[in-house]
Amino acid sequence: DTAVSQTPKYLVTQMGNDKSIKCEQNLGHDTMYWYKQDSKKFLKIMFSYNNKELIINETVPNRFSPKSPDKAHLNLHINSLELGDSAVYFCASTYGGATGETQYFGPGTRLLVL
Amino acid sequence: SQQGEEDPQALSIQEGENATMNCSYKTSINNLQWYRQNSGRGLVHLILIRSNEREKHSGRLRVTLDTSKKSSSLLITASRAADTASYFCATESNDYKLSFGAGTTVTVRA
Repeated sequence: DTAVSQTPKYLVTQMGNDKSIKCEQNLGHDTMYWYKQDSKKFLKIMFSYNNKELIINETVPNRFSPKSPDKAHLNLHINSLELGDSAVYFCASTYGGATGETQYFGPGTRLLVL
Repeated sequence: SQQGEEDPQALSIQEGENATMNCSYKTSINNLQWYRQNSGRGLVHLILIRSNEREKHSGRLRVTLDTSKKSSSLLITASRAADTASYFCATESNDYKLSFGAGTTVTVRA
């Protein structure tokens, strides 16, 4: 009965590889997000989708491509991984993406690029 | 760029004591939210305070907001070992995006 789930939990890979992280929410929410948390714990928004439509696209290298097959899923594909991509990636969701809504976070995916 | 900045970066207290942490931000906001992150876990929403509110309570949590000083504080009263976590403030501006700080790491000693 997990609200926001992510797979995998841990991901260790070599530079240059391509990898995907999956996120699913069973809350019936319309809006989903990807955040990156660096080693200093700064949490920064990367993307947001509302009902499968991209609404927030921060200054993120185009090696990162989100995909939302339906409003309950938001996946993140990363091409040509670099050392600096090592971080914890969090998926989150809100009911509608309007002001003042609580964000529900997944447990995170710890990515280590060697 | 980061909007919120928490202070202190780390805090160690004895069980039963109160813990206070502060958050400063730079631009005007719709609301400010506090989240908790236990080690190795995702963030959990604690409390939201709107820009026209000055104080809010939820259980052992008390949040204040001073929009003239662009600052907020989170007070946890009668702390418990289970309160050990990192606490983040997040500001929401007109673009509905949340901007997080780097958090305050709180350790509650038994």
